[in-house]
Amino acid sequence: GNSVTQMEGPVTLSEEAFLTINCTYTATGYPSLFWYVQYPGEGLQLLLKATKADDKGSNKGFEATYRKETTSFHLEKGSVQVSDSAVYFCALRGGNNNDMRFGAGTRLTVKP
Amino acid sequence: NAGVTQTPKFQVLKTGQSMTLQCAQDMNHNSMYWYRQDPGMGLRLIYYSASEGTTDKGEVPNGYNVSRLNKREFSLRLESAAPSQTSVYFCASSEFRDSNSPLHFGNGTRLTVT
Repeated sequence: GNSVTQMEGPVTLSEEAFLTINCTYTATGYPSLFWYVQYPGEGLQLLLKATKADDKGSNKGFEATYRKETTSFHLEKGSVQVSDSAVYFCALRGGNNNDMRFGAGTRLTVKP
Repeated sequence: NAGVTQTPKFQVLKTGQSMTLQCAQDMNHNSMYWYRQDPGMGLRLIYYSASEGTTDKGEVPNGYNVSRLNKREFSLRLESAAPSQTSVYFCASSEFRDSNSPLHFGNGTRLTVT
């Protein structure tokens, strides 16, 4: 079945550092890929998505490219801010199953 | 613009007690979902309702029941709570249950079963 593996955290960075959170997936067919962000005490919010190979999703300075050849959807940001501290979830939907499947989440802490 | 609203925010139950978690969305979405979030495990789907009048089991349905009351509301019931059901529960909705529709989440209910 469909599954998502993302890098374990926690990740701690200094403000303005470069961020990469790795995500790889297993799926039959052609799923859509998503990144969600969860701030303390809140539900998950959609950060960006990509629906087909080579698509790049972007939002608020974050980017991720749907790489079918490496089955990956790594999240990147060139310069993180303290306000980016949150838990980030990679997810996929579609292929042979329309349930949204989530990775375990990666906690990011950005220090001033 | 409320989005997805869940009640209550917090609940403590004793083993064997029952309760119902309420969820409502105001986005006219067709599909609704209940997830639980446990440390290190991401979110796991308990039940979903692809459209009004239908419900189906997800990955971890045991110990739960659901009701799609109307297009807006989708409730989750624990008939006899167990400590293993201590978790944070999220309701979500999407326009359709298809690959392109992202989920919109409520702020969660933190449940502790003692």
